[in-house]
Amino acid sequence: DTGVSQDPRHKITKRGQNVTFRCDPISEHNRLYWYRQTLGQGPEFLTYFQNEAQLEKSRLLSDRFSAERPKGSFSTLEIQRTEQGDSAMYLCASSYHRLEQFFGPGTRLTVL
Amino acid sequence: TQLLEQSPQFLSIQEGENLTVYCNSSSVFSSLQWYRQEPGEGPVLLVTVVTGGEVKKLKRLTFQFGDARKDSSLHITAAQPGDTGLYLCAGTDNAGNMLTFGGGTRLMVKP
Repeated sequence: DTGVSQDPRHKITKRGQNVTFRCDPISEHNRLYWYRQTLGQGPEFLTYFQNEAQLEKSRLLSDRFSAERPKGSFSTLEIQRTEQGDSAMYLCASSYHRLEQFFGPGTRLTVL
Repeated sequence: TQLLEQSPQFLSIQEGENLTVYCNSSSVFSSLQWYRQEPGEGPVLLVTVVTGGEVKKLKRLTFQFGDARKDSSLHITAAQPGDTGLYLCAGTDNAGNMLTFGGGTRLMVKP
C-alpha cells in the first residue's frame, strides 16, 4: 500500500476560477477527512466522510466549497470562485473507523 | 470548542541538546497524537497516547499523556539535525470524528 495520495501537489489559479482536488485514501480505510493548513498554523478540520456519506462539516466550509466521495473510495474537494484567502495547503487523511489518521502530502493552492 | 496550545512556538538548539515541547488544553481528549511535518509535506504520525499518565518511547523521543488527559509533552534526547521539523499535537474527542491541532512547534537542530 502506497499510503494516501493527493493530486495535484501544487495549483496556482486566478481569483474567481474554480479548482478541484483529488484524494485517494489507503485502500481499506473507510473514513476520509479534509483539513486546511495556512502558513505557520496547525491544520484545521473541514469535513469528513464515512464511506460515501459526508457526516460532518466545519463552519470553515463555506458555500463555495463542496466535497464528494462517490462509491466510498476517492474524494474530491472543489472550491468555486476562489478568493485569495483560500490560499493554503489542503490536506487529506484517512483512517479505519476511529483509529489513527494518516495524511497525504497535501495540495498547495495559491490564488493570485 | 476544544483548543490545544503548544509551546514553545519556535526552538533552535545545537545538536546533542535535549528539549521538551508542551501541548496543553482545558479540555479532555480521548486520545492525543503527535505528528511531525516537513516543509511542503503532510504530517507524519509519530505516536498515539490514549491512557492518562501513559508514557511511550520511540528511540530518542519520549511522549507523555497527562493524568487528566488534558496535556501532553514530547521530550527529545540528544537532538540531531534530522529531528528538524514542525511538531504538531492533535487531540480527538470522544466522538473521534476529527482532530483538533495545536499551532505547532518549529524545531531547528543545528549541527
